[in-house]
Amino acid sequence: GEDVEQSLFLSVREGDSSVINCTYTDSSSTYLYWYKQEPGAGLQLLTYIFSNMDMKQDQRLTVLLNKKDKHLSLRIADTQTGDSAIYFCAESITDSWGKLQFGAGTQVVVTP
Amino acid sequence: DVKVTQSSRYLVKRTGEKVFLECVQDMDHENMFWYRQDPGLGLRLIYFSYDVKMKEKGDIPEGYSVSREKKERFSLILESASTNQTSMYLCASSPRRRGTETQYFGPGTRLLVL
Repeated sequence: GEDVEQSLFLSVREGDSSVINCTYTDSSSTYLYWYKQEPGAGLQLLTYIFSNMDMKQDQRLTVLLNKKDKHLSLRIADTQTGDSAIYFCAESITDSWGKLQFGAGTQVVVTP
Repeated sequence: DVKVTQSSRYLVKRTGEKVFLECVQDMDHENMFWYRQDPGLGLRLIYFSYDVKMKEKGDIPEGYSVSREKKERFSLILESASTNQTSMYLCASSPRRRGTETQYFGPGTRLLVL
């Protein structure tokens, strides 16, 4: 399958903003997703953006979508130690009736 | 709230054993998925089911089979476990409506094959 690419690691100081980047491949994707995985747990849906939007804000989270460059980013404002986790971006696969293509995940470590 | 449960959080099995991983969802979702997660590789789809008794191979089906006898339950079977199947296994479900592909995940089963 096609690849969704993310950097593997991000270190950020508590209170700073984190920006996690992702490039995807399917220009026809309907939705793009961000999931969070805390240690030893399953994936939890954080937020998603419909492909006809270029920005979505939800409390401390801001998702930016650049369709021309197929680039998705997640900004976490005022990063807290509880934000330490692996973050996955995912794109819906056209005409697949439910399948998602996931990136490899970005490990975010928040330091005091 | 959607709830997806997996039968075990941790499993230790021996090479050659037959292993069953069970997943149950309570939201009447048509779609169910099995992934394995390995460091640096992200989630890779093993099998997908879009209805009872229906299944579709994912990206890495070799060495695995699945069973979906009831809508709420999707089982992953390792016919003869091997050490390279040591991994975290994640189950997910989603409704089958175009434009709504949000998947809901279980807590995962960490399998160690010795």
